[in-house]
Amino acid sequence: GAVVSQHPSRVICKSGTSVKIECRSLDFQATTMFWYRQFPKQSLMLMATSNEGSKATYEQGVEKDKFLINHASLTLSTLTVTSAHPEDSSFYICSARRASTGGNTEAFFGQGTRLTVV
Amino acid sequence: AQSVTQLDSQVPVFEEAPVELRCNYSSSVSVYLFWYVQYPNQGLQLLLKYLSGSTLVKGINGFEAEFNKSQTSFHLRKPSVHISDTAEYFCAVGSNNNDMRFGAGTRLTVKP
Repeated sequence: GAVVSQHPSRVICKSGTSVKIECRSLDFQATTMFWYRQFPKQSLMLMATSNEGSKATYEQGVEKDKFLINHASLTLSTLTVTSAHPEDSSFYICSARRASTGGNTEAFFGQGTRLTVV
Repeated sequence: AQSVTQLDSQVPVFEEAPVELRCNYSSSVSVYLFWYVQYPNQGLQLLLKYLSGSTLVKGINGFEAEFNKSQTSFHLRKPSVHISDTAEYFCAVGSNNNDMRFGAGTRLTVKP
């Protein structure tokens, strides 16, 4: 199956600094990538939908100035957590769908990034 | 908009027993249904999916699910579970506008 690589898998940063998380589709092109946040023992919460070459669409309640998303190419999307605070500590997961296939295909998920802000 | 309800947050079972994880969905448009498994500190792995056609879908690791349109359900089943099946299971619904919504998850714990 298709592979989505997410990097880094774990990151610890100081409060007030920014952290960038990368999501790459390794063997397919993804016009759309999704970013999720998962709190301990909870489900995945969709944060934003990232479209290649255009602005991301954020879910209600997600601060777009805090969670910057860039989808610069068909194989790369990045999530930058700006001015991170301890409450931003969480597990962040990206997913990608193949280009031009609509909603009837599976989404391929990255391995997730465990962010800890100290 | 579509949504997914997983009725059981935790399901404990003994090894080699059958298991059913329940999932109900709501949507105003045609839907595509998925089950994913998540092991600790990992991403999600697709178990199976329903797109169209036969309502009984077989997936990896011996899992299967049945799409029931009248009951808006997509329950996941396995006739005999193993210790290694212990994980978090998520039901998800997708649509043609590309987004995917997840249920709250069901923690399956298989005991020896």
